[in-house]
Amino acid sequence: EPEVTQTPSHQVTQMGQEVILRCVPISNHLYFYWYRQILGQKVEFLVSFYNNEISEKSEIFDDQFSVERPDGSNFTLKIRSTKLEDSAMYFCASSSQQGGETQYFGPGTRLLVL
Amino acid sequence: AQSVTQLGSHVSVSEGALVLLRCNYSSSVPPYLFWYVQYPNQGLQLLLKYTSAATLVKGINGFEAEFKKSETSFHLTKPSAHMSDAAEYFCAVSDRRSSYKLIFGSGTRLLVRP
Repeated sequence: EPEVTQTPSHQVTQMGQEVILRCVPISNHLYFYWYRQILGQKVEFLVSFYNNEISEKSEIFDDQFSVERPDGSNFTLKIRSTKLEDSAMYFCASSSQQGGETQYFGPGTRLLVL
Repeated sequence: AQSVTQLGSHVSVSEGALVLLRCNYSSSVPPYLFWYVQYPNQGLQLLLKYTSAATLVKGINGFEAEFKKSETSFHLTKPSAHMSDAAEYFCAVSDRRSSYKLIFGSGTRLLVRP
């Protein structure tokens, strides 16, 4: 069964460093999302991406964040200068269509900023 | 704005007992509603979804949920709890006004006692 994969599973970084979180969505999917879950809190939307551009972003997704789909298979989230409060689990999701279509989630990357 | 409220951050049941996890939503348009389950150290897995067809929706692992428009509810039930059901459960509504991003509730941790 196709699945969304994410690498790395865990990342520890120093405050101010850049990190890139990688996701491989399901191959025929067209809509891509990043969410995050700070420990003990709810899952929050960060950004949605379609047709090689951002379709929506949340208030959390400021200038320190960027996304791209560099090669037609990977979908990356970059944080340019990490802050302590960026520590969270980051989930990638993809779906084949919008509307009521299921978003399939990856296993997540746990980011710890020291 | 759309939102989801999950009553009870923790629910504890005995093995074999009924499971009832509550979810209420707020939406200005007919909603698409989802229940996801998160096992420890794993991603989010879809249990079931409502997309304006039958109001009683059956999902995986014996779970079902009923959409009640008059009560703005989408409660999750299972007739008989199993130890393997212990996990965190998230209710979510799809934001149909924009990119169909998922708006999650704060989650309910289900504990199953032997």
